Parts: sequence; C-alpha cells; structure tokens
Amino acid sequence: GDSVTQMEGPVTLSEEAFLTINCTYTATGYPSLFWYVQYPGEGLQLLLKATKADDKGSNKGFEATYRKETTSFHLEKGSVQVSDSAVYFCALNAGNNRKLIWGLGTSLAVNP
Amino acid sequence: DAGVIQSPRHEVTEMGQEVTLRCKPISGHNSLFWYRQTMMRGLELLIYFNNNVPIDDSGMPEDRFSAKMPNASFSTLKIQPSEPRDSAVYFCASSPEDRVQYFGPGTRLTVT
Repeated sequence: GDSVTQMEGPVTLSEEAFLTINCTYTATGYPSLFWYVQYPGEGLQLLLKATKADDKGSNKGFEATYRKETTSFHLEKGSVQVSDSAVYFCALNAGNNRKLIWGLGTSLAVNP
Repeated sequence: DAGVIQSPRHEVTEMGQEVTLRCKPISGHNSLFWYRQTMMRGLELLIYFNNNVPIDDSGMPEDRFSAKMPNASFSTLKIQPSEPRDSAVYFCASSPEDRVQYFGPGTRLTVT
C-alpha cells in the first residue's frame, strides 16, 4: 500500500544553518505531496505542496521538489530561525479518496 | 475566515464517563476528518466523512468510539465509556476539493 518514510528526529541545528528533512514515498499512480508543520500546542498547518513531478513547492523560505525518479520530496531551508522549531510531517494523497498518508513527523529544534 | 473550530479545548474527565468532542468545519469544505495524536502512536486517522457521509472508519479504535456528522457545519466524536488510554489530543480537519486539510486547534483530553 501507499506509505511515507521520513528521517527520524530530533534534528537540532544552530540558527542560520541549512536544513534538510528527507521524505520518500511509495504510491501507485501520481500522488500529490505535502509538507505540514506543527508548532507547539497547535494543530498541523500546510507548509507547501506539489501535485506533479518536477513541481517545486515553496513557502516561508522552505522548498521541496517532487522527484518521481527517486520517489522523494525532501524539505529544505537555507537558513533556519529559532521560530522554525516545530514538528514537520510529510504526507501524500493518492487515488480517489481524500485520505492523507502521513509520515511519523520529524522534530526540529533550532538553537540561537 | 474563522478556520476549523473545536470545542472544548481541554477536557478532563473520570474513567467511565461519556465524552463528546465537537467540530465546526470551514464553510464550503465537503470533507471532514477526525484524528488522534499521542506521543506513543503519533497521528492516527480515526474516521473521515465526505458530504456528511462516513467513508472510512477503519481507524476507530473500538465500539466505545462513535462519530456523527448531522449536517455540513457540525460533527461530533463521542467516547462512551472513556478510559485512561483514550487520553490524547484530538484534531478535526476539513478539506475542500483540492485535498489540502485544514486543522483545528485540537482538544486535549485527559481521562483519569
């Protein structure tokens, strides 16, 4: 069945460091791919998405490119801030239903 | 736009009591999802509705859990009787046609 695999956390970085959080997927057909972020004490919110191969989603300095050849959707940011400390979830939607298949989440802590 | 509204935000109850969680989705969204989040099990989809009809309830833990969506603007998740292992944060999310899910702030349930 469809699945999403994220790198395990926690990830700890210093402010202004480069961030990569790996995400790979298994799916039939051509899924849509998402990154969600959850700040402490809040619900998840969409960070970015891509709906077809080679699409690049971007928001708030974060980017991810839909790579069909490697079945990946890695999240990157060139210079993280303390305010980026949160849990990041990769997810996919495939087929005719509305369900999202979720990764387990990666916790990021950014130190000043 | 008020976003997804959940109530109560916090609920503390004793084992054996009935608990009802409430959700108002974003107007115009035709899909609604109930999730549970714990440290041990992560984010779990319990049930989702499309056009007020339950589509997939395979994630509902057992008969003690039930969910209803009597109209497009309201849904409930009921636990009867509650048990300490039900303690978690429960999220409601709604989605329009583009399949992006918009999460509410969650209800933190503690069963003692």
